[in-house]
Amino acid sequence: GENVEQHPSTLSVQEGDSAVIKCTYSDSASNYFPWYKQELGKRPQLIIDIRSNVGEKKDQRIAVTLNKTAKHFSLHITETQPEDSAVYFCAATLYSGAGSYQLTFGKGTKLSVIP
Amino acid sequence: GAVVSQHPSWVICKSGTSVKIECRSLDFQATTMFWYRQFPKQSLMLMATSNEGSKATYEQGVEKDKFLINHASLTLSTLTVTSAHPEDSSFYICSARRMGQSLYEQYFGPGTRLTVT
Repeated sequence: GENVEQHPSTLSVQEGDSAVIKCTYSDSASNYFPWYKQELGKRPQLIIDIRSNVGEKKDQRIAVTLNKTAKHFSLHITETQPEDSAVYFCAATLYSGAGSYQLTFGKGTKLSVIP
Repeated sequence: GAVVSQHPSWVICKSGTSVKIECRSLDFQATTMFWYRQFPKQSLMLMATSNEGSKATYEQGVEKDKFLINHASLTLSTLTVTSAHPEDSSFYICSARRMGQSLYEQYFGPGTRLTVT
């Protein structure tokens, strides 16, 4: 199966600075990599995703990069704001058979943006 | 569009009783639904994959006789925790894959907080 490692587990940045979260995955067959933001007691919200045929994707202040050779992908948040404070999860998607793709999550990064 | 609901949002039950959690896709049909468990300050762990009209596929280490999953229609899946114990206390989240669209994307429900006393 797939194994996803995520670092760091906690990250504190000053408002306006950038935040970077890194993930590695083990199975080279994984081909879809979403990032989720989860606030306490709430559902994970998809914030950005990238597919294996793309190296970088950007959406306003959020960007994701993927290095398939090295099997790692990163989330970049620029100009951080207090409302960016949350737990962020990376995930990798692997085909599990019978038409089903499964998500394997990293352990999460608690981001705190200090005003 | 792509809204997933769960009911109840939180439940407290006594040890030894059973609890049923519902997961509904409100505005789309879901051929596949997933059930996750999340302990405090931890990640989401996949428990099982549920396809409409067929038996659920459980992940290694998840007891299928304890966590009964039924996916009777394209908009409803249920998870029943049988003979619940305090160690089953957790946040249970479902997700659904929208029929006819991306095989990758999953839409998450708001979660159900289960506390077993």
